[in-house]
Amino acid sequence: AQSVTQLGSHVSVSEGALVLLRCNYSSSVPPYLFWYVQYPNQGLQLLLKYTSAATLVKGINGFEAEFKKSETSFHLTKPSAHMSDAAEYFCAVSVQNQGGKLIFGQGTELSVKP
Amino acid sequence: DADVTQTPRNRITKTGKRIMLECSQTKGHDRMYWYRQDPGLGLRLIYYSFDVKDINKGEISDGYSVSRQAQAKFSLSLESAIPNQTALYFCATSVTGNEQFFGPGTRLTVL
Repeated sequence: AQSVTQLGSHVSVSEGALVLLRCNYSSSVPPYLFWYVQYPNQGLQLLLKYTSAATLVKGINGFEAEFKKSETSFHLTKPSAHMSDAAEYFCAVSVQNQGGKLIFGQGTELSVKP
Repeated sequence: DADVTQTPRNRITKTGKRIMLECSQTKGHDRMYWYRQDPGLGLRLIYYSFDVKDINKGEISDGYSVSRQAQAKFSLSLESAIPNQTALYFCATSVTGNEQFFGPGTRLTVL
């Protein structure tokens, strides 16, 4: 069965510091992987996705993630945090032979301190 | 106008009441999904539909039912609401299931 684990339910960084949100997945077949962001009182918005092309994926708002098969990881990074990045971030895996259902991690809340 | 809309946005109800949450989309997608979000648990799939005649249970379908009235409309019902169904509910749409587009959510409180 597929699963996703996000390490750390809360991450706090200073404005301008590196953002690193960790995601590890479990899948018996090549996965499609996603990062979504949820701003307060809003729905989820796609940040970026990995669909078996380039292993380094660039998304919106300066975020990127690297697919590492050997580590079963898909960590999200941003070189310099901005106050507007404060939100909850979800990693998700989709497995093609299950009709494209998404399995979500528990979420990581990112706080950015001035 | 938003591509995926949900009504109501907030609802407070009592134990035992029947509740319907509605989702409409203008994206023209065949696939639609209902999730619930609970703190610390992420999003969990309740039901999903690949077209009007194809409806499937997700991982937590007990206590819920759905109706796909048209390609653009997918409703979630709680036949007899209970307090542990208090959660944030999201509808989503997709072409292939890989990239899903989410509505703004419905916050449901069952007293």
